[in-house]
Amino acid sequence: EPEVTQTPSHQVTQMGQEVILRCVPISNHLYFYWYRQILGQKVEFLVSFYNNEISEKSEIFDDQFSVERPDGSNFTLKIRSTKLEDSAMYFCASSGLASNTGELFFGEGSRLTVL
Amino acid sequence: DAKTTQPNSMESNEEEPVHLPCNHSTISGTDYIHWYRQLPSQGPEYVIHGLTSNVNNRMASLAIAEDRKSSTLILHRATLRDAAVYYCILRKGRAGNMLTFGGGTRLMVKP
Repeated sequence: EPEVTQTPSHQVTQMGQEVILRCVPISNHLYFYWYRQILGQKVEFLVSFYNNEISEKSEIFDDQFSVERPDGSNFTLKIRSTKLEDSAMYFCASSGLASNTGELFFGEGSRLTVL
Repeated sequence: DAKTTQPNSMESNEEEPVHLPCNHSTISGTDYIHWYRQLPSQGPEYVIHGLTSNVNNRMASLAIAEDRKSSTLILHRATLRDAAVYYCILRKGRAGNMLTFGGGTRLMVKP
């Protein structure tokens, strides 16, 4: 069964460092998403991406965040200068073309720990 | 966005049916009712969705009230592997629309 894969599974970084989280969405999907989940809290939407541009973003997705689809297979989330409060599990998801039936397929997540 | 209300937690015995309720009294005509679940230490996973009619798939059934202001996710025989947080989410029928997760219902399954 096709799946969304994410790397790294866990990253530890120092505050102020740049971090790139990588995702390989399901190959024929066209919509891509990043979500995050701080420990013990809700899953929060960050950004959605379609046709090489951001289609929606939340208030959390400020100037320190960026997304890119550099090579047609990877989908990356960059955090420019990490803060302690960026520590969370980051989930990538993708979905296909269908509107209401376009279920999101989530990856296993990348745990980011900012020290 | 229209909001959903779910109990914080529910308990079930293994091998018994589980009915997980969801209220969405402000649902609009273009909102689809989606259910996802999140197993411990995993990403969310699609379970089922519907608009007006009841739906069945290999994982579960979805019963939607006639006025669409509530719905119930039915797991026909709970297993230990079904212990998870279940999210009821309203989603507009538009391609690529994102999901907004609430707190969900934490289902505990007792052997």
